[in-house]
Amino acid sequence: DIQMTQSPASLSASLGETVTIECLASEDIYSNLAWYQQKPGKSPQLLIYDASSLQDGVPSRFSGSESGTQYSLEINSLQSEDAATYFCQQHHDYPPWTFGGGTKLELK
Amino acid sequence: EVQLVESGGGLVQPGRSMKLSCAASGFTFSDYYMAWVRQAPKKGLEWVASISYEGSSTYYGDSVKGRFTISRDNAKSTLYLQMNSLRSEDTATYYCARQGNYGGYRGTFDYWGQGVMVTVSS
Repeated sequence: DIQMTQSPASLSASLGETVTIECLASEDIYSNLAWYQQKPGKSPQLLIYDASSLQDGVPSRFSGSESGTQYSLEINSLQSEDAATYFCQQHHDYPPWTFGGGTKLELK
Repeated sequence: EVQLVESGGGLVQPGRSMKLSCAASGFTFSDYYMAWVRQAPKKGLEWVASISYEGSSTYYGDSVKGRFTISRDNAKSTLYLQMNSLRSEDTATYYCARQGNYGGYRGTFDYWGQGVMVTVSS
């Protein structure tokens, strides 16, 4: 099974700042990496698939990148509505479909 | 508009059974794999089970294999999860999710229901 290690577990940032969340795959997943956003009390929503492709309707301040088995989600110009927990998920080799542990983003 | 609406959750005693349902609308249900994903309180996401287009293939996470059964009724556009021999560690919000079926969406969970809470406790 492919393991996904996400970091940090939590972070705090101010409006307008840029933050980066990382996800390390235990083996090569060939860019098959998705990011989800889960706002408090809501269900997860797909943000990015194939490491860097934005889901329809997702603001362009969200972007995804990769370097080997390390994947990153960058959020530019933080807005209040970006306060949420973010999860990565590999969609290369399944079952099982595996998620990272999540990163809780808090706005100062 | 894609909609997934779960039902059937609640409080259940350890060792008992419960069946969840997910009513789908806004898309051709039989064109998609479907899945259940759960989230224990204050925890991360855990894939539980998936089912193929016609239901001929099913897949389960190790923690539920042999206890849970996923099924679907394409005529009713409804997904089910039969949960037997429930344990306290099965306490979670259970989400019904559509699985992407083409291109870069393949293997993702592109739409989610609002979730239903299952509490296993005596």
